[in-house]
Amino acid sequence: AQSVTQLDSQVPVFEEAPVELRCNYSSSVSVYLFWYVQYPNQGLQLLLKYLSGSTLVESINGFEAEFNKSQTSFHLRKPSVHISDTAEYFCAVKAGYSTLTFGKGTMLLVSP
Amino acid sequence: DTEVTQTPKHLVMGMTNKKSLKCEQHMGHRAMYWYKQKAKKPPELMFVYSYEKLSINESVPSRFSPECPNSSLLNLHLHALQPEDSALYLCASSHFRVEGVGTDTQYFGPGTRLTVL
Repeated sequence: AQSVTQLDSQVPVFEEAPVELRCNYSSSVSVYLFWYVQYPNQGLQLLLKYLSGSTLVESINGFEAEFNKSQTSFHLRKPSVHISDTAEYFCAVKAGYSTLTFGKGTMLLVSP
Repeated sequence: DTEVTQTPKHLVMGMTNKKSLKCEQHMGHRAMYWYKQKAKKPPELMFVYSYEKLSINESVPSRFSPECPNSSLLNLHLHALQPEDSALYLCASSHFRVEGVGTDTQYFGPGTRLTVL
């Protein structure tokens, strides 16, 4: 069985400050990792994913995440956030033939 | 193009009504999913269709009835719902790998906001 832990339910941050949203997973087999973002009253949008290869993956809007197998983590980072980054962020893991498992989500609140 | 469309955007129905949610994708994906999402919670998987056949039913009550008429369309028929069924219903699609372990990156639609009175 696989599981995902997002320890922070809410992360408040000021605009232009850096941010890290934490995600840890557990699985007995190799995993694929995803970050989805959900803006208010919208569906989920794929932000970035780790399938294989380089452990550092980047999105087009400045977010990046690093797969760390030894620490079973896939933390999401952005060096400078904007007000428009305010949203719910879900980390998700897929292992083997299992379905996608989501974390509980982290609400990123960016204030001026 | 990674677009999944869902109609309607909003739906209000009484407990005795029958309604349907519709989902469509034209990415050539052969796996389609229905999720239910309550406020401030992650999506919960309801059904998975693979090659137009129901492959996973996560013990969903029979008042929810999925249908996959072709590889691009997925419907969710609703009948005799309860107020606690009010939620955001999300559709997703992905490639389906028959051999080996597929990545199955899922792409989501915007959702249908359902309110049951």
